[in-house]
Amino acid sequence: DVKVTQSSRYLVKRTGEKVFLECVQDMDHENMFWYRQDPGLGLRLIYFSYDVKMKEKGDIPEGYSVSREKKERFSLILESASTNQTSMYLCASSSGHRKRALNQPQHFGDGTRLSIL
Amino acid sequence: AQSVTQLGSHVSVSEGALVLLRCNYSSSVPPYLFWYVQYPNQGLQLLLKYTTGATLVKGINGFEAEFKKSETSFHLTKPSAHMSDAAEYFCAVSAGSGGYNKLIFGAGTRLAVHP
Repeated sequence: DVKVTQSSRYLVKRTGEKVFLECVQDMDHENMFWYRQDPGLGLRLIYFSYDVKMKEKGDIPEGYSVSREKKERFSLILESASTNQTSMYLCASSSGHRKRALNQPQHFGDGTRLSIL
Repeated sequence: AQSVTQLGSHVSVSEGALVLLRCNYSSSVPPYLFWYVQYPNQGLQLLLKYTTGATLVKGINGFEAEFKKSETSFHLTKPSAHMSDAAEYFCAVSAGSGGYNKLIFGAGTRLAVHP
């Protein structure tokens, strides 16, 4: 069965800290994604990656960066955490390369609830 | 550009009643459509998807959805609600921007089921 694992379920950090959120998938998927989820706004795409060392900005990349050094791992980095980055963060992965991936569902981890104090 | 609108942020039904969650989309190309469910403190789980072919799609847990191109809709239904169906439901369209597998999500509908 498909498995996407996020390293922490709950995380509390202070403003100005550099924060790392880790995500690992075991399906050999090409594509990986980071979303944030806020009440009433649904899921908003932060960054995604379609190959190792490749990354693309999503809809709300400001204040974030990502790293994909290995196919199975996709890290989200908050360079200098701020209180408006308090949110639920969801990682997802999907198979297929570019246009062949359009009809493929994304598989999600259980999320990391991040609080910035 | 693709977009998704879910009508009703909260829906409440009685156990055993019909569940109807509404989703309308806009897309300049033939869409791929998905419904996901999120239980408390969990990630999203795929309920069903429409890619091509039959417009009535059956998913897990007794849910189904019908793709209606003329109405640009993909409403989710279940004939008889169960208490365990209480969750948040998200409709999504595959954006395909630049050939990448991006999903555009609706804002979600929280379903409450009462005895």
